[in-house]
Amino acid sequence: QQQVKQSPQSLIVQKGGISIINCAYENTAFDYFPWYQQFPGKGPALLIAIRPDVSEKKEGRFTISFNKSAKQFSLHIMDSQPGDSATYFCAASIGGSGNTGKLIFGQGTTLQVKP
Amino acid sequence: NAGVTQTPKFQVLKTGQSMTLQCAQDMNHNSMYWYRQDPGMGLRLIYYSASEGTTDKGEVPNGYNVSRLNKREFSLRLESAAPSQTSVYFCASRVVSRTEAFFGQGTRLTVV
Repeated sequence: QQQVKQSPQSLIVQKGGISIINCAYENTAFDYFPWYQQFPGKGPALLIAIRPDVSEKKEGRFTISFNKSAKQFSLHIMDSQPGDSATYFCAASIGGSGNTGKLIFGQGTTLQVKP
Repeated sequence: NAGVTQTPKFQVLKTGQSMTLQCAQDMNHNSMYWYRQDPGMGLRLIYYSASEGTTDKGEVPNGYNVSRLNKREFSLRLESAAPSQTSVYFCASRVVSRTEAFFGQGTRLTVV
């Protein structure tokens, strides 16, 4: 059972365009939602993260939108650049005291930004 | 500062062989994790160690064992490799007081 569902599986965007990746979760106990970026041959690296007490978080060209009632969150990459071409994973975990930090990942989205 | 270091980077095993994947972190992190990455499946947690001296199963522990050797090192062992264990394996670590997990470069394992 996939607790975090991610779409689309792949995405092609022109340079300067907006890339949008969506995720949906099932477990309402999740309270930490990070996005990881992975380049070929490398390990995932934290890009941006959000907690459910806010509806949006922006860091540079990257924005997370969060809809708690719909149990959905999305990553928006504005002014997409060829250097953004990578695989993106959404994830979720349960926080709080004594939290284990176990991450449940989505299936991943391969983004290609064409020059 | 090397972060999280995994060895080896690549490995080919024959079915039934055993091997140990090594992971070491130099960030003084409490918690360490082993994930496997498969196409279309994202990353799935195999085992984790919340602190030195403790280990627990994740989503897909069957066929694996782990050892938290000390605070720095967390190894993953395949006792009798199977083709279904062909995957890319990632080790990660984090400090309990922070949410960010740091990943190693991965080990690409092929079982033939």
